[in-house]
Amino acid sequence: QVQLQESGPGLVKPSQTLSLTCSVSGGSISSGGYNWSWIRQPAGKRLEWIGRIYTSGSTNYNPSLKSRVTISVDTSKNQFSLKLSSVTAADTAVYYCSRGDSVVVVAAWGQGTLVTVSS
Amino acid sequence: DIVMTQTPLSLSVTPGQPASISCKSSQSLLNSDGKTYLYWYLQKPGQSPQLLIYEVSNRFSGVPDRFSGSGSGTDFTLKISRVEAEDVGVYYCMQSIQLPLTFGGGTTVEIK
Repeated sequence: QVQLQESGPGLVKPSQTLSLTCSVSGGSISSGGYNWSWIRQPAGKRLEWIGRIYTSGSTNYNPSLKSRVTISVDTSKNQFSLKLSSVTAADTAVYYCSRGDSVVVVAAWGQGTLVTVSS
Repeated sequence: DIVMTQTPLSLSVTPGQPASISCKSSQSLLNSDGKTYLYWYLQKPGQSPQLLIYEVSNRFSGVPDRFSGSGSGTDFTLKISRVEAEDVGVYYCMQSIQLPLTFGGGTTVEIK
């Protein structure tokens, strides 16, 4: 059974770049047919999909964040990553990574990591 | 973006009693392939969301049969036939017919 684990700094300064990594175990990130997403949840607010990457490297981003988001995959490390630039306090949230496929676009979730944007 | 609206905001249910949650989308979730891309998730306290239902009515692996989903077009319902203590948490609907994926605001289920 696939497991996902987010990692990265829990505190980021305003205007800097938030960088998170999702480590995948129990399966190869190179396996075809999957997509790998980032989703976030600000405290007290609804879940927000950030974007996804396919094993092929193709990406889709939420238009509301597209200018600031980059999602990439490192098959050698079985990981995929999120970079969100020019962060503000509004980017403070629990960030989740997830795996989906053609049937269930978001199936398995990581446990989530809290990122706070503050000076 | 497709707006997902859930009601009620919260439910307090006696164990063994049924519960029902509504989710309405601002656009039809019926795709040209005949499938309807509506999902239900449960986020238990202190945990990440877990998938319950996909494509309106299909229970995910390991999900108890007391959970059922129904609906079509823009109106959907999640029903719990007999609520158990382990069912407490926040329930979310989500659509994937159109990017960006969007979620409902959540319905909190608590036990009386």
